[in-house]
Amino acid sequence: DTAVSQTPKYLVTQMGNDKSIKCEQNLGHDTMYWYKQDSKKFLKIMFSYNNKELIINETVPNRFSPKSPDKAHLNLHINSLELGDSAVYFCASSQESGQTYEQYFGPGTRLTVT
Amino acid sequence: GQSLEQPSEVTAVEGAIVQINCTYQTSGFYGLSWYQQHDGGAPTFLSYNALDGLEETGRFSSFLSRSDSYGYLLLQELQMKDSASYFCAVMGYGQNFVFGPGTRLSVLP
Repeated sequence: DTAVSQTPKYLVTQMGNDKSIKCEQNLGHDTMYWYKQDSKKFLKIMFSYNNKELIINETVPNRFSPKSPDKAHLNLHINSLELGDSAVYFCASSQESGQTYEQYFGPGTRLTVT
Repeated sequence: GQSLEQPSEVTAVEGAIVQINCTYQTSGFYGLSWYQQHDGGAPTFLSYNALDGLEETGRFSSFLSRSDSYGYLLLQELQMKDSASYFCAVMGYGQNFVFGPGTRLSVLP
């Protein structure tokens, strides 16, 4: 069974479009995250959700909006896509009560904006 | 704020031991983690240090010294499959994970 899944794996779209990336985890974790990894492989946290509440919103443009319908899902909506949004987006989850704060990452979604 | 530094590249031969360093500046954090990422893959968790000292997990060990704002990942008996990028990360207060820039390890035959 896949622990953290994302769809789609690849997404090619034009500037100005609106798109969504879905994420689901079956680990029962209470916190989920979205990360952006750019072409230089810098991995930067965008959002985290704990029990449906946004905990972090790191200097991310408001064109990006996380939506969490329930504890197991955290989707990412992006409006008015720009060239600079091209990157790999990873969803992750963790269990706050754990001692290791281990994060489980999804396979990633490669977004290409043309 | 928090920032981390790592060497950009490290090269070693099969069977050798390699150490990947991580220095950080942070106002406070719970612990230091290490992740491995193969090309085209997702980061996977390797190790976590909440306290100073050495944590050993098989061929991998990780060390943390809060007084020196320094940690490292030690990989022993290197194998070709260990060629990957390695990231250190601090978990700050409020579920704020900050990752280092990553170190690309190349293992040569």
